Amino acid sequence: SAVISQKPSRDICQRGTSLTIQCQVDSQVTMMFWYRQQPGQSLTLIATANQGSEATYESGFVIDKFPISRPNLTFSTLTVSNMSPEDSSIYLCSVPSDAGTNEKLFFGSGTQLSVL
Amino acid sequence: DAKTTQPNSMESNEEEPVHLPCNHSTISGTDYIHWYRQLPSQGPEYVIHGLTSNVNNRMASLAIAEDRKSSTLILHRATLRDAAVYYCILRDKNAGGTSYGKLTFGQGTILTVHP
Repeated sequence: SAVISQKPSRDICQRGTSLTIQCQVDSQVTMMFWYRQQPGQSLTLIATANQGSEATYESGFVIDKFPISRPNLTFSTLTVSNMSPEDSSIYLCSVPSDAGTNEKLFFGSGTQLSVL
Repeated sequence: DAKTTQPNSMESNEEEPVHLPCNHSTISGTDYIHWYRQLPSQGPEYVIHGLTSNVNNRMASLAIAEDRKSSTLILHRATLRDAAVYYCILRDKNAGGTSYGKLTFGQGTILTVHP
């Protein structure tokens, strides 16, 4: 199993500012995924972070709002830009178990973001 | 991914078995049935998955109907630590590329375990 560390675990931010969330994995993985969980809701995939190429965003999410970096095979960052209270959510990083097996995903414990 | 339907909530007593149902009447032949659970203040964790045959692991059992239009996650002896939201998810076994990490989460079933 993969061990995923996310930083920060929680933060309270002011409207209009940006927050960068870090995700560190204890093994090399080809793809890393970022999810959002709004209060009382289920999880929604934001984007896939690919090493060596631009992230792939799901419908409704854009790079200007959620820029992603993937400098190597164990690390990724998600930035929530120009925040508004509607961005208050839990943001989770996820990685697959083994490339090519399509078996399971591992999730970090998430970053709880509150925007005032 | 095809849609699944789960009860909003269920309750159980500690040490008793729990059967969590999931309906997926539009499942395709290449869809795996996955179960994840999310404990309070944590990210989801994988529980079990299967295609056609019933599956067992150390966490749970998965019973799949013969027509595959429904399945049941079985926790043999519920503990307080099993209180969580349980998600039943269909995932195409041929998913690749950017679909690889896309799990379509529904609202899940909130399981409450009473001591």
